[in-house]
Amino acid sequence: GAVVSQHPSRVICKSGTSVKIECRSLDFQATTMFWYRQFPKQSLMLMATSNEGSKATYEQGVEKDKFLINHASLTLSTLTVTSAHPEDSSFYICSLVGYNEQFFGPGTRLTVL
Amino acid sequence: DAKTTQPTSMDCAEGRAANLPCNHSTISGNEYVYWYRQIHSQGPQYIIHGLKNNETNEMASLIITEDRKSSTLILPHATLRDTAVYYCIVRATGNAGNMLTFGGGTRLMVKP
Repeated sequence: GAVVSQHPSRVICKSGTSVKIECRSLDFQATTMFWYRQFPKQSLMLMATSNEGSKATYEQGVEKDKFLINHASLTLSTLTVTSAHPEDSSFYICSLVGYNEQFFGPGTRLTVL
Repeated sequence: DAKTTQPTSMDCAEGRAANLPCNHSTISGNEYVYWYRQIHSQGPQYIIHGLKNNETNEMASLIITEDRKSSTLILPHATLRDTAVYYCIVRATGNAGNMLTFGGGTRLMVKP
């Protein structure tokens, strides 16, 4: 199955700074990737769908100007949390879909102080 | 995608079988039943999926009722490392844009 990596695995930043999270597909060319967010003791919530070569599609309630997504190649999608605030602290997980299975990255834990 | 209902939490003794139920009474004919699990602070991990026949792999068995309105994931010999949140999801395959929608899942605690 596809292997998905994320970098960094953990990041702590000050309020007001921007943080970039990378999601790489190591052995699968993905025209579509998904970004999920998970708050403590809650389930995964889809934030946006990342489309290679075009604009991302955001779920209702997710600010596209705050969560910038770039999917510049078939193996890389990036999520930038701009002007991060403590309420953005969460576990961010990227994913891509094969024919029968969805593959997930290991997640990035963001802590905004 | 059809909605699923799972118990919030379950306990299981180490070495015993863990049976995790899932109701999906509104499942459509082209929807598969998928099971994923998420160990704390990790991304979800695929376990198994099926359409209508029972399935088994090295991790687990999936039993789907004849009417397909419910299923059970069976971990035959649970270990402490199986402690995780288990998600039952129904999804139609064959569409790369058809991502998984997660419900609350079942928090399985395997105890020594």
